[in-house]
Amino acid sequence: KAGVTQTPRYLIKTRGQQVTLSCSPISGHRSVSWYQQTPGQGLQFLFEYFSETQRNKGNFPGRFSGRQFSNSRSEMNVSTLELGDSALYLCASSKTSVGYQETQYFGPGTRLLVL
Amino acid sequence: SQQGEEDPQALSIQEGENATMNCSYKTSINNLQWYRQNSGRGLVHLILIRSNEREKHSGRLRVTLDTSKKSSSLLITASRAADTASYFCATASTGANSKLTFGKGITLSVRP
Repeated sequence: KAGVTQTPRYLIKTRGQQVTLSCSPISGHRSVSWYQQTPGQGLQFLFEYFSETQRNKGNFPGRFSGRQFSNSRSEMNVSTLELGDSALYLCASSKTSVGYQETQYFGPGTRLLVL
Repeated sequence: SQQGEEDPQALSIQEGENATMNCSYKTSINNLQWYRQNSGRGLVHLILIRSNEREKHSGRLRVTLDTSKKSSSLLITASRAADTASYFCATASTGANSKLTFGKGITLSVRP
């Protein structure tokens, strides 16, 4: 079974631009969660999608948004990029989303650099 | 805000020694999970322990959970150079809007 894939792996943008990151979960997994990882704040939960519905959201501004498609693939978008958005963005998938009682399978991440 | 707080922040041991890492948390949890991350890559799930379990083993890994003290420990026995990585504990909160909250991680260095 193929693992979680994320595209692109690396991205360089300038302040004010917007960016879209993509995550393809493991086949059969319906839950996709997104995390931002920075040296200062560590791993922070962005949001979780299950069956095309956002089930939970972390404490991030509205510039961060996401969606999930019928094939469970998910995208996250960051508009009006700021320098502080530079981070490793990780997505994780699991079969269901009930109470995070299952193993989360992480992708390799997308490293975003905002100049 | 971080739910899990790992201790120590960094650990350096010799190959063959055991490594013990601790995690404390603040609120009620559904389960606690440990992950490993190699040098800025994706996280690899190591082990999940449910709130009604006290100890779990997986290969060279042993995890304990003490819900009364809101703490967990991860023991890696007979460490290898390949165990060098960052280790994170993550707690799954209870309730309908459960989410996984990570600590800041422990950097483990195993010297050959």
